[in-house]
Amino acid sequence: AQSVAQPEDQVNVAEGNPLTVKCTYSVSGNPYLFWYVQYPNRGLQFLLKYITGDNLVKGSYGFEAEFNKSQTSFHLKKPSALVSDSALYFCAVSRLGAGSYQLTFGKGTKLSVIP
Amino acid sequence: DTAVSQTPKYLVTQMGNDKSIKCEQNLGHDTMYWYKQDSKKFLKIMFSYNNKELIINETVPNRFSPKSPDKAHLNLHINSLELGDSAVYFCASSQVTGGANTEAFFGQGTRLTVV
Repeated sequence: AQSVAQPEDQVNVAEGNPLTVKCTYSVSGNPYLFWYVQYPNRGLQFLLKYITGDNLVKGSYGFEAEFNKSQTSFHLKKPSALVSDSALYFCAVSRLGAGSYQLTFGKGTKLSVIP
Repeated sequence: DTAVSQTPKYLVTQMGNDKSIKCEQNLGHDTMYWYKQDSKKFLKIMFSYNNKELIINETVPNRFSPKSPDKAHLNLHINSLELGDSAVYFCASSQVTGGANTEAFFGQGTRLTVV
């Protein structure tokens, strides 16, 4: 079984400050890890993924995430937050099972960037 | 061009009715999925189809049935709708064969309200 934990329901950060949205995972074997963002009344947009290789992954809109195998974490970061980053962020883990990549999502973290 | 498109965007219907949600992807992906997002924003996979074959059915009631006329389409049929079926349903697609490890692309969602 695989699972994802996002320990914070909400993260508040001032515009221009760095932001971190936390994620830890549990999966047998090598994890495929993803971050998605959901704006109000919209679908999920892909931000970045870790499959293998460099532990620091860079993605869309200036976001990056660091894979830490020993801590089973994949925290999302951005050096300088924008008001437009305010949205719901989902961490997800995937594994190849029976011919498809089943995504298991965390519960989501609401990010509010305060002007 | 929209990569993954769903129709309708909103669906309001009475209990006991039968309804369908359509999904089409123009990405040439070989696998499509249906996810359900409940009122608490929790996302859970319902089905996946790989090359027109059902791969996963995650304890979904048999009132829900996916139908795929070709690999670019995965429609969701729901019979005898219940109040608890009210949710946002997301279609997604990804490329699985070839070991591409690609991320899933999501549609904009269909908000189903059962009254």
